Amino acid sequence: KAGVTQTPRYLIKTRGQQVTLSCSPISGHRSVSWYQQTPGQGLQFLFEYFSETQRNKGNFPGRFSGRQFSNSRSEMNVSTLELGDSALYLCASSFGTSGRVRRYNEQFFGPGTRLTVL
Amino acid sequence: AQRVTQPEKLLSVFKGAPVELKCNYSYSGSPELFWYVQYSRQRLQLLLRHISRESIKGFTADLNKGETSFHLKKPFAQEEDSAMYYCALSLYSGAGSYQLTFGKGTKLSVIP
Repeated sequence: KAGVTQTPRYLIKTRGQQVTLSCSPISGHRSVSWYQQTPGQGLQFLFEYFSETQRNKGNFPGRFSGRQFSNSRSEMNVSTLELGDSALYLCASSFGTSGRVRRYNEQFFGPGTRLTVL
Repeated sequence: AQRVTQPEKLLSVFKGAPVELKCNYSYSGSPELFWYVQYSRQRLQLLLRHISRESIKGFTADLNKGETSFHLKKPFAQEEDSAMYYCALSLYSGAGSYQLTFGKGTKLSVIP
């Protein structure tokens, strides 16, 4: 089974620009979560999507947004980039469960997209 | 608020020596804890889940609710254990959604 893929792997942008990152989950997985990894703050949860709906959001400004498509692929967008947005952005997929079932499913991580803001 | 603390940024041990990577958490509910590992130039992957109580690659971790700890242990370190290790707490956010709260990580270096 192919793992989680993320594109592009590297990006260089300048302040004020916007960027879109893409994540393709493992086949059959319906939940996609995004994390930001920086040396100072470590790994921080951004948001989670399931069946094209954002179910959960971390403590990030509104410049960070995302969406999920009917094939479970997900994109995240960062507008008006700041220097502090430079980070490794990780995507993780899992089977996920609907709201009626409470069961944790293992999250499988992609290789990440390294974003550098100049 | 929930928090995961890994007090050591870097831990160096000799091959064959015991390893203990520390993890403490703060969470008011019933915790679900994990250890993730990231080998050089590889992606983050799950190593252990406390609920499964199994040993993976010789590593074990016991949840101690009294001390709010979930330390990772291995009796004899191997060079291939050198990696970045993250302790993580799974939080149920409602509507079937979970999020992971990670510690800052500990870099384990096994000296030959």
